[in-house]
Parts: sequence; C-alpha cells; structure tokens
Amino acid sequence: GDSVTQMEGPVTLSEEAFLTINCTYTATGYPSLFWYVQYPGEGLQLLLKATKADDKGSNKGFEATYRKETTSFHLEKGSVQVSDSAVYFCALRQQGEGSEKLVFGKGTKLTVNP
Amino acid sequence: GAVVSQHPSRVICKSGTSVKIECRSLDFQATTMFWYRQFPKQSLMLMATSNEGSKATYEQGVEKDKFLINHASLTLSTLTVTSAHPEDSSFYICSARGGEGGTYEQYFGPGTRLTVT
Repeated sequence: GDSVTQMEGPVTLSEEAFLTINCTYTATGYPSLFWYVQYPGEGLQLLLKATKADDKGSNKGFEATYRKETTSFHLEKGSVQVSDSAVYFCALRQQGEGSEKLVFGKGTKLTVNP
Repeated sequence: GAVVSQHPSRVICKSGTSVKIECRSLDFQATTMFWYRQFPKQSLMLMATSNEGSKATYEQGVEKDKFLINHASLTLSTLTVTSAHPEDSSFYICSARGGEGGTYEQYFGPGTRLTVT
C-alpha cells in the first residue's frame, strides 16, 4: 500500500539556519503530495502542496518540489524563525474525485532556538 | 475561515465506560468528515470516513462497534468510544472537507487526548 517516510526528529536549529526535512513516498500512480504543520495545541494546517511531478509548492518561506524520479518531496526553508517551531507532517493523497484518504508520515518535530 | 473544533480537548475516563468526542466545522458545511488516531511518535492513522446522513466507512482493522461514528448534520460528527479500555488511550483528531468548488482539502481539528484508567 501507499506509504510516506520522513526523517526522524527531533530537529533543533538556531534561528536563521537552513532547514531540510526529508520525505519520500511509495505509491502507485501520481499522488498529490502535502506538507502539514501542527503548532503546539493546534490542529494540523496545510502548509503547501504539489499535485504533479516537478511542481513546487511554497508558503511562508517554505518550499518543496515534487520529484517523481526520486519519489521525494523534501521540505526546505532558507532561514528558520523561532515561530517555525512545530511538528511537520508529509502526506500523500491519490488523485481523482473521491480519493480523499490522506496517508501521513510520522511527523518531524522542529525546535528553533533564538 | 475553515475552522474545525473538537470537544473535549482532554478526557479521562474509567475502563468500561463510553466517551463521546465531538467534531464541528464552525464556518463551513462539511459533507465529509474523517477521524484519525495518533499514537506517540507515530503518524496519523485514518480510522473512518463519514458522509453526512450515511454510515461511516471504516478502515481495515478498526472495530466499528467499538468506535461509533455519527455524522448527523453538515457541521457535526461524533466519535463514541464504547467500553473504553486502557489500550484505547490515544490522541484522536478529526478533519472536515466541504464547501464550494470541491478542492478536497481537509481542515483539521486540534485533537482530543483520551486517557482510559
């Protein structure tokens, strides 16, 4: 079945450091790929998404590129802030109407220190 | 917009009792709601999908008689954990999809921490 593997955390960085959180997937066909963020005490929020190969999703300084050849969707940010401290989840969803099931990775906790 | 709430945020109950968790879409009508379970350091596992006015569809391995889901209106779904046991202790998260345009995005609630003693 479909699955998502993301790097284990926790990840601790200093403010303004470069961030990469790796995510790879196993799926049939051409799924849509997502990054969700969960801030302390809150629900998951969609951070960015990409629906086809070579698409780049971006939001709030975060980017991820859909790489079909490496089945990856790594999350990057050039300069993290303390406010980016959260848990980040990579996820996939199969294409097509009615294909609503999201498959999540285990999440990566990021802590950014001032 | 697209806010989903859950109530309660935390609940502690005794083994053998039942617990009801509510999931509400506050500013949109949710035609479909989802219930997930999250174990520590594990990913979210989909338990079931419910559409308003119809029976929920459960994922393989999820006991439908133990985890009762009701989606009686376009803004409310409930998950009832019946005859709870300590192994049911977990973090339960709901999400909702709806509105115009069929974007298929899910909006997540903040979760409910269930502890069964």
